[in-house]
Amino acid sequence: AQSVTQPDIHITVSEGASLELRCNYSYGATPYLFWYVQSPGQGLQLLLKYFSGDTLVQGIKGFEAEFKRSQSSFNLRKPSVHWSDAAEYFCAVGPNRDDKIIFGKGTRLHILP
Amino acid sequence: DVKVTQSSRYLVKRTGEKVFLECVQDMDHENMFWYRQDPGLGLRLIYFSYDVKMKEKGDIPEGYSVSREKKERFSLILESASTNQTSMYLCASSSLGGGWFFGPGTRLTVL
Repeated sequence: AQSVTQPDIHITVSEGASLELRCNYSYGATPYLFWYVQSPGQGLQLLLKYFSGDTLVQGIKGFEAEFKRSQSSFNLRKPSVHWSDAAEYFCAVGPNRDDKIIFGKGTRLHILP
Repeated sequence: DVKVTQSSRYLVKRTGEKVFLECVQDMDHENMFWYRQDPGLGLRLIYFSYDVKMKEKGDIPEGYSVSREKKERFSLILESASTNQTSMYLCASSSLGGGWFFGPGTRLTVL
């Protein structure tokens, strides 16, 4: 069965430090992969998505993610975090870009000043 | 500016009440979805719809039903609300090549 695992429930980094949020998926076919962010009290916002092509995907707010088929991973990275990046981040996988997608349980990012 | 709107941001209901959560999208999307979000559990799919008058069960449909009489509107119905349905409910819509869009969510409290 398809699933998404985000191993880290909470991550704390200092402002200006680099960030990597992990995501592993289990899926029988070529997956469509997404990262969403949810700021406190806000809805979900799409950061980036991977459907095919270049395995390094650029998103909004300076985020990028790399699809690694051999590791079944789609980790999210940012070279230098800002205090405004404090939020919850969700990785998701779907059978195609418009069908239902399955979410991981989320990683809450805390930023130290 | 594309939008998915939900009828209420906050809702408080009593056990046993029938509850309607409304979702409207203005993007002419075919697909619409209802998720609930709980701490530590992420988002779980309740129901979805690929067309008017069509509905499909998601992973946790028990205690819920849906209605899609018009393309732009997808309603989630709690037939008899229970305290374990206290949650954040998120609606989403999508279309081929158009990506996914989420509404702001409805935080439902059942007393």
